[in-house]
Parts: sequence; C-alpha cells; structure tokens
Amino acid sequence: AQSVTQLGSHVSVSEGALVLLRCNYSSSVPPYLFWYVQYPNQGLQLLLKYTSAATLVKGINGFEAEFKKSETSFHLTKPSAHMSDAAEYFCAVTRTDSWGKLQFGAGTQVVVTP
Amino acid sequence: EAGVAQSPRYKIIEKRQSVAFWCNPISGHATLYWYQQILGQGPKLLIQFQNNGVVDDSQLPKDRFSAERLKGVDSTLKIQPAKLEDSAVYLCASSFSTSEYEQYFGPGTRLTVT
Repeated sequence: AQSVTQLGSHVSVSEGALVLLRCNYSSSVPPYLFWYVQYPNQGLQLLLKYTSAATLVKGINGFEAEFKKSETSFHLTKPSAHMSDAAEYFCAVTRTDSWGKLQFGAGTQVVVTP
Repeated sequence: EAGVAQSPRYKIIEKRQSVAFWCNPISGHATLYWYQQILGQGPKLLIQFQNNGVVDDSQLPKDRFSAERLKGVDSTLKIQPAKLEDSAVYLCASSFSTSEYEQYFGPGTRLTVT
C-alpha cells in the first residue's frame, strides 16, 4: 500500500517569497511521485514528476521538487511566488505495480499576498 | 491536441434521483480513470479502465455507482440513486497506458445533491 501526507492544508506567502509545500510518502516499493496544481473550477495539471531518474526534478512555472529517499519526502519549492501561483496543490504517489493508480494527498491551498 | 472533455460541467439534482456524467479522453489514450473529489480532499479513484476492460473498481460503491467504457473510447459514470454525500467534483483522466504515469485531467463535473 502507499500513501501521501501533505503538511499544512493552507499556506500563505508574500509575492516574491519562497514557496515551500511539504509532502511525505510511504510506499513498500520505490515510488513514482507527482505534484499537480488545481486552479478554481478546473481539472488538475501536472507540475512535475519523479520517476526514478534525477532526484531534483524541475517542472513548469518555475517549480521544482527533490526526492529524498532517506526522509521519504518530495517537497515542492519555488524561489519567488507570483500572484498566479494561488491555487491548490496536490502531491500524489504511485508504484510500478499499481497500474498507474494514483494516491493523492489532501492538498495544500496556497494564497499569495501582495 | 484536444484535452480530456467532460460534460456536463455542473449538475444539481435531488437525493434519490439519478445522474450520468460523460468523458471523452485524449485520442489514443488507452487508460481512463474516474475520480471523486470531495470538497477539501484530494481526488479518490473510483474506477480505472484499460481500453474497455476494468482494471480497478475496488473503491466504486457498486450498489449505486456504475461505469462503462464501450468501444474503449468514451466513458459514462452513473449514480442511481444519488445521496447527499455524493456531492463532489467528478474528474475524468486519461493516460496513454498504465505504464505511462502522466495522467491528463478534464475540467470535472461539479455535482450538488440537495
């Protein structure tokens, strides 16, 4: 079985400040990990994914995440927040024997203040 | 390339009524997923198809929910009869195959059961 825990259901950041969203996973086999973003009244859009290649993964819109096996973490960061980053962010995990089935975290709502 | 299409976008029904949602995946995508996203939670997989066969429906409430994917393309998710707790956004996603882990999401159908 696998699961994902996102720490913090709401995060408020100032425009231009660092964005840090935390995600910890549990999996009995090496996982594949994802970050998705959801804007109001829209579906989910893939930001980035880790599939056992480089541990530092760069995604769209200036986001990146680092896979740390020792800490079972896959935290999402962006050096400088923009107003357009206000959205909900979901971390998700799957395994090679899960037929692509994703297990999502509860999500973190990001608010960006001027 | 066209994205995943879903209809309707919004639906309001009374409890005990029936409702159906439609999804058209990206052309050529063999794998199709239906997720339920309750307000404040991450998406939860209801059913997964590979072509027109069911891969996983372990979390589908089969006493009231049903889904089909005739001809391995479009899919329909039905709820009959609806309960208040079925109020949620129903997301459809597709991927090229079960070993292609990137899923593409549609905009979702927001269901309100009164």
